[in-house]
Amino acid sequence: SAVISQKPSRDICQRGTSLTIQCQVDSQVTMMFWYRQQPGQSLTLIATANQGSEATYESGFVIDKFPISRPNLTFSTLTVSNMSPEDSSIYLCSVEDRGGQVNTEAFFGQGTRLTVV
Amino acid sequence: GQNIDQPTEMTATEGAIVQINCTYQTSGFNGLFWYQQHAGEAPTFLSYNVLDGLEEKGRFSSFLSRSKGYSYLLLKELQMKDSASYLCAVSDSNYQLIWGAGTKLIIKP
Repeated sequence: SAVISQKPSRDICQRGTSLTIQCQVDSQVTMMFWYRQQPGQSLTLIATANQGSEATYESGFVIDKFPISRPNLTFSTLTVSNMSPEDSSIYLCSVEDRGGQVNTEAFFGQGTRLTVV
Repeated sequence: GQNIDQPTEMTATEGAIVQINCTYQTSGFNGLFWYQQHAGEAPTFLSYNVLDGLEEKGRFSSFLSRSKGYSYLLLKELQMKDSASYLCAVSDSNYQLIWGAGTKLIIKP
């Protein structure tokens, strides 16, 4: 299992500004993931944060809008840049054990509820 | 494309039984997960099925039929605290999790 501390838990931001969300894991993990969950919708993967290399972004998400840092195996940040009201959402970081001999569940941070006004 | 379907909302009575269905079409299959998400909180793991059949864990059971691309989550002896959204997620051929939109379960006294 993994315990993930994510902050801030919520924020209200002005359009055009940027917000950085932090995730700290209590153990070393190879892969960390950033999701967005808009009200009433499924979790959408933004990107995979890789330690020592650039993040891998999913279709529809770009580094200029969502820059990610992964300085070590226990920490990652996601920045939501030049925000607009459409960025209002819940952002979640996650660690998952993908592949290997056992496919285990995902563990999530507490989530960041972002409102852009 | 990849697709996970589950009902948007269901209502049930305290003490009763409810079944939440999930159908999926994905590129490959490496297991199906059910998560519970209370409003304003992160999802928490409930169950994992990779082989056909029923997995029972206390009041919750999860069923999988890989040939039908179908799963259900069965909740027994419903309690008010079971009011939450229930998310179905499938691990595809790349072990990427594909998420359903979730089923909001409303429990009435």
